[in-house]
Amino acid sequence: EAGVAQSPRYKIIEKRQSVAFWCNPISGHATLYWYQQILGQGPKLLIQFQNNGVVDDSQLPKDRFSAERLKGVDSTLKIQPAKLEDSAVYLCASSLVAGAPEAFFGQGTRLTVV
Amino acid sequence: DAKTTQPPSMDCAEGRAANLPCNHSTISGNEYVYWYRQIHSQGPQYIIHGLKNNETNEMASLIITEDRKSSTLILPHATLRDTAVYYCIGDSNSGYALNFGKGTSLLVTP
Repeated sequence: EAGVAQSPRYKIIEKRQSVAFWCNPISGHATLYWYQQILGQGPKLLIQFQNNGVVDDSQLPKDRFSAERLKGVDSTLKIQPAKLEDSAVYLCASSLVAGAPEAFFGQGTRLTVV
Repeated sequence: DAKTTQPPSMDCAEGRAANLPCNHSTISGNEYVYWYRQIHSQGPQYIIHGLKNNETNEMASLIITEDRKSSTLILPHATLRDTAVYYCIGDSNSGYALNFGKGTSLLVTP
């Protein structure tokens, strides 16, 4: 079974530039999550989708971050404009349904803002 | 805020059992306790979860105290590949997305 695919694996941008991350969840998984993980900390939920609807985006900095999940499958997370403090690993995860005990994570995209 | 407390780091000798404690005295009666681990440069990986009873799978055992205020994850025969950050999670949002804390960094030594 293919896992959660994310791209790119690494990205370096200058502050005030924009960047986008892509995630392809496991086939058939209705729930998709984006987490931000700053060095030395645990992952922090940014946004959760159920199919193509948003379940929770309360911790998404909406002035600069946006995310979409078209057709309830792939998802993109965008940052515009980036700040130095956005340097982190961005993890995408999926689960069969919301509340399923096991969420499957991708390897993440490591973003460095200089 | 995360509802769990874990030691920041632990060591374990290879081949020995690794016992990772977690305090979750404030979780409610219907909230599960989940354990995930994160190996360096990888995404978190599910290990096990439980509510009241002890649980065992091919990866680990989970022992939950009768009062549900704490639990212990047991890796029966730790290997070098078990070196990772282990997260004990007792908190989720309304959509059941897990809220991670800082976890315990386990170092398995030869």
